[in-house]
Amino acid sequence: QQPVQSPQAVILREGEDAVINCSSSKALYSVHWYRQKHGEAPVFLMILLKGGEQKGHDKISASFNEKKQQSSLYLTASQLSYSGTYFCGTVPAAGNKLTFGGGTRVLVKP
Amino acid sequence: DVKVTQSSRYLVKRTGEKVFLECVQDMDHENMFWYRQDPGLGLRLIYFSYDVKMKEKGDIPEGYSVSREKKERFSLILESASTNQTSMYLCASSFVAPAHEQYFGPGTRLTVT
Repeated sequence: QQPVQSPQAVILREGEDAVINCSSSKALYSVHWYRQKHGEAPVFLMILLKGGEQKGHDKISASFNEKKQQSSLYLTASQLSYSGTYFCGTVPAAGNKLTFGGGTRVLVKP
Repeated sequence: DVKVTQSSRYLVKRTGEKVFLECVQDMDHENMFWYRQDPGLGLRLIYFSYDVKMKEKGDIPEGYSVSREKKERFSLILESASTNQTSMYLCASSFVAPAHEQYFGPGTRLTVT
């Protein structure tokens, strides 16, 4: 079953912050985040493993609450280059397949 | 730099045709994946392979098959293309699944008429 991402879309002004959420109905081993710009291939951002670790990539960071089976991606002081579709992917605690969510479209305006 | 290439960016086929989509990676990765991408549905796994000649079904394998005769090459086969298989197809590879990052190819936009 696919993880659920929210919101489906968000529009920001440059410099604003946003949060993208990813929820699963299963116990998770890891959460992965990717970004896809229009017309391009998805690009890896980060992996969060069981343990509630928070990771960062420039001003993009993420957290993983394994008890709630949720992850959040934080876009801080957004830049125009942050525009794109963000996908979370989850790997269940008892499994080996990465399953992606439906994506969140982010548009950062000047 | 890891490179994943796909044989075509755009492909138009007729209903009932047999379609081959090819993917090649140059980083000696063990694992290779085929996804289809449709608006609102994200990336859905069709098949993956963790070794030469090994394959495992993903979430939506119906109507597809795969072949991996060499480590660097992973083929997706549509035995008899149908209009509901019109989609963007993305290939990916990774060193160790599922804990490592996947590297994606540019995708093949397949239209079945």
